[in-house]
Amino acid sequence: ETGVTQTPRHLVMGMTNKKSLKCEQHLGHNAMYWYKQSAKKPLELMFVYNFKEQTENNSVPSRFSPECPNSSHLFLHLHTLQPEDSALYLCASSQGRALTDTQYFGPGTRLTVL
Amino acid sequence: AQTVTQSQPEMSVQEAETVTLSCTYDTSESDYYLFWYKQPPSRQMILVIRQEAYKQQNATENRFSVNFQKAAKSFSLKISDSQLGDAAMYFCAYRSTGTASKLTFGTGTRLQVTL
Repeated sequence: ETGVTQTPRHLVMGMTNKKSLKCEQHLGHNAMYWYKQSAKKPLELMFVYNFKEQTENNSVPSRFSPECPNSSHLFLHLHTLQPEDSALYLCASSQGRALTDTQYFGPGTRLTVL
Repeated sequence: AQTVTQSQPEMSVQEAETVTLSCTYDTSESDYYLFWYKQPPSRQMILVIRQEAYKQQNATENRFSVNFQKAAKSFSLKISDSQLGDAAMYFCAYRSTGTASKLTFGTGTRLQVTL
């Protein structure tokens, strides 16, 4: 499955570090998403972008800063994170935001905050 | 608010046997879709099957089928002729016209397939 790629696959960072997660989709989709997957909790939608514009911010703390320079790329900039932010961060894309548009997921970045 | 509940944290099935994973949801919407996603140990989430709420006929994809009971708000996944490659986390998810961007997920069921 190479439609949606994410880098890095693993990241360990200290609470004072600044790092970025990258997502790229090769499917020609217009909508992109960031999800957080924590152990024993449902996936949580963080952000939605449609045609590079942010359409949804699900009350995410400002220490997470998304960026979508074009429809194929999505970044999640991280700074001053907390240990409870350790999780698997999944990127997804879909053709649009219609109900019939399937979301395709990347493999995720496993983030550990020390 | 919409919620999705998967009451079975873990399930086990023998190879070639059939297993059913449960999912219930709560919504006041009338137009929505339901999904089952599979997340193998490699972690990439893959869509297994989806069901449109307005369709009475249960969706089927090869060995995977659903039992959609709209009145009961139940959406179970049946895997027939289970294979070792079916071992994964399975997530039930919901999406409605009211929140078209948002997939609401359950907590998942870990399926083990034994020889």
